[in-house]
Amino acid sequence: DQQVKQNSPSLSVQEGRISILNCDYTNSMFDYFLWYKKYPAEGPTFLISISSIKDKNEDGRFTVFLNKSAKHLSLHIVPSQPGDSAVYFCAASEALWGSGAGSYQLTFGKGTKLSVIP
Amino acid sequence: NAGVMQNPRHLVRRRGQEARLRCSPMKGHSHVYWYRQLPEEGLKFMVYLQKENIIDESGMPKERFSAEFPKEGPSILRIQQVVRGDSAAYFCASSPARGSGTDTQYFGPGTRLTVL
Repeated sequence: DQQVKQNSPSLSVQEGRISILNCDYTNSMFDYFLWYKKYPAEGPTFLISISSIKDKNEDGRFTVFLNKSAKHLSLHIVPSQPGDSAVYFCAASEALWGSGAGSYQLTFGKGTKLSVIP
Repeated sequence: NAGVMQNPRHLVRRRGQEARLRCSPMKGHSHVYWYRQLPEEGLKFMVYLQKENIIDESGMPKERFSAEFPKEGPSILRIQQVVRGDSAAYFCASSPARGSGTDTQYFGPGTRLTVL
């Protein structure tokens, strides 16, 4: 039972255009979401996060949008660069804020491989 | 400011041997997490530790796997009597103490375990 789903295994985008990576989740207890980028043979690198009290968070070329009612989030990269080519993982955790319980374990999607074509 | 460190980066074991994977968290981080990634899969949570305490091991297989985070030294993930199905990339992550304003987990480069 996959609680975090990235339905597109791969995505190709022209350099300079927008990349949009999507993620859906089923667990309504998730309230903190993160995107990680991963190159082959390396560990995931944190990109950007968003808590459930927000619907948008922006950091440079990266923007994450959260639609709680649809249980959907997306990562926008503008403009896309060849160095952005990597696998992008969406991750989620539950009940962080104001709670003494919970382990903060992250639940990951299977990833989307982004290729930015020069 | 060193990131999360893991060693070894690659580990080859024969079936039945023991594997020990080490993780040193980022400076100032007191929470450690272990994840496993099988080919073509996302990362799966295994265990969450603080110094000298296992907080959540709900993702750990019940047998052959154990983890510790001693008062001094790195966190260790130990796999006894390895089998071929244990072949995977094992990632360690760390985060600051709870209430520090961020619970983002930062990952190490991983240990790639191959069981022959």
